[in-house]
Amino acid sequence: EAQVTQNPRYLITVTGKKLTVTCSQNMNHEYMSWYRQDPGLGLRQIYYSMNVEVTDKGDVPEGYKVSRKEKRNFPLILESPSPNQTSLYFCASSFPGGSNEQYFGPGTRLTVT
Amino acid sequence: AQTVTQSQPEMSVQEAETVTLSCTYDTSESDYYLFWYKQPPSRQMILVIRQEAYKQQNATENRFSVNFQKAAKSFSLKISDSQLGDAAMYFCAYRSADTDKLIFGTGTRLQVFP
Repeated sequence: EAQVTQNPRYLITVTGKKLTVTCSQNMNHEYMSWYRQDPGLGLRQIYYSMNVEVTDKGDVPEGYKVSRKEKRNFPLILESPSPNQTSLYFCASSFPGGSNEQYFGPGTRLTVT
Repeated sequence: AQTVTQSQPEMSVQEAETVTLSCTYDTSESDYYLFWYKQPPSRQMILVIRQEAYKQQNATENRFSVNFQKAAKSFSLKISDSQLGDAAMYFCAYRSADTDKLIFGTGTRLQVFP
């Protein structure tokens, strides 16, 4: 089954404790992206990757890191999480090109206390 | 920079009736794509319908259709014969032909009453 998977689905952590949210897709997509969803703000892009070893900042990259060492994986790293990073996070992937559908993962609910 | 505006935070409709969700966008580009995504309580993002800006014909997918007004930069979603399963958050999104980034509106929560 074609899908984007994220782990963990839920995470409660404390300020400053490094964490990684994994994202994996099995559709051989070149493009992958991370979004965060906050009430009243919709979804905003954090980072994206056009292909292996090619990453770039989105609209809200502060406090996040990413890497793309393999085509299928695109982990999101919070080196020192803060309460303002409490949010719902989505990973998405697609073939490049504006008309192609972006497939979303199931989301990761992160709470930083 | 492109922006997407959804001015209706909440809407409600009775089962079997028709409802229209509004979306406007701002762009200086001529080539782009527009999408409506549905987010049910499960939080999964589900593509409902897409529209290519170069196509004059409005897209339709079963009970879902759009009214795309390129000059007015308007992209509304019409849901006909509403069903209880249509209750969800709906997001309008813009995607440039040159990039793959989706720019989302703030969403409209749709309630469906029996």
